[in-house]
Amino acid sequence: EIVLTQSPGTLSLSPGERATLSCRASQSVGSTYLAWYQQKPGQAPRLLIYGASTRATGIPDRFSGSGSGTDFTLTISRLEPEDFAVYYCQQYGETFGQGTKVEIK
Amino acid sequence: QVQLVQSGAEVKKPGASVKVSCKASGYTFTSYHFNWVRQATGQGLEWMGWMNPSSGNTGYAQKFQGRVTMTRNTSINTAYMELSSLRSEDTAVYFCARGGPGNWDFDYWGQGTLVTVSS
Repeated sequence: EIVLTQSPGTLSLSPGERATLSCRASQSVGSTYLAWYQQKPGQAPRLLIYGASTRATGIPDRFSGSGSGTDFTLTISRLEPEDFAVYYCQQYGETFGQGTKVEIK
Repeated sequence: QVQLVQSGAEVKKPGASVKVSCKASGYTFTSYHFNWVRQATGQGLEWMGWMNPSSGNTGYAQKFQGRVTMTRNTSINTAYMELSSLRSEDTAVYFCARGGPGNWDFDYWGQGTLVTVSS
C-alpha cells in the first residue's frame, strides 16, 4: 500500500504570501493518479487539482500542481482569505495524505 | 447542476449496522463511479471503496473488506453504503463522492452523514 506523507503539517502564512505544500509517496505514483483537495471546517472536500497538474473546473489559477514519481507539490501563488483551509493529496482514487493546514499568521 | 444529497445523521449501538444513502441528480447516474470516504472528528480523510453504478461492481479498501457493502438503486439514482459490526472507532462523517474528470479523483461530494456509534 502506498503511503502519502504531506508536509508541513501546518503552514502559517499571511494573505498575499505564497504557499508551497508537499506530498511525498512511499512508492512512485503515476502523475495521472495524483489529486489535491481543499477542505474547510464543516464542509466536504473540494477538488482542486487532478492528474497532478490540471486544475478542476472553476479553480482559480493561483492554484497550481506539479511533480512526478514520488514528489508532488501544490502551490498557491498569493493566498486569499478564503484559501486558509486544510489541503489533502490523494493517489489512485484511494489513499489520502494526512493533510496540511494552512493557517493565518 | 450536479448534486449528491445524503441521508441524515444516525446513532447506532456497537455491533449494529448502518446504511447511508446518497441521491444523485443533475447528471446520468450510471456514467460515473461512486466512492465513499469517511472522516473522524478532527482527523483526515479515509477512502472506503468504490462502486460502478452501471454494473454494480465494487472495490473495497482492505481495512473494510467483509464489513462494508456498496449498492445502488438505478431507478431512483441512489447509492448506498452499509457498514456492519459497528464499533466506536467507526464514529465519523461519511461522504459519498462522484468519480471526477481524471478518473482517479472525486469532483462532487455529498454533504456528509454523521454516524455515531455509542452504547
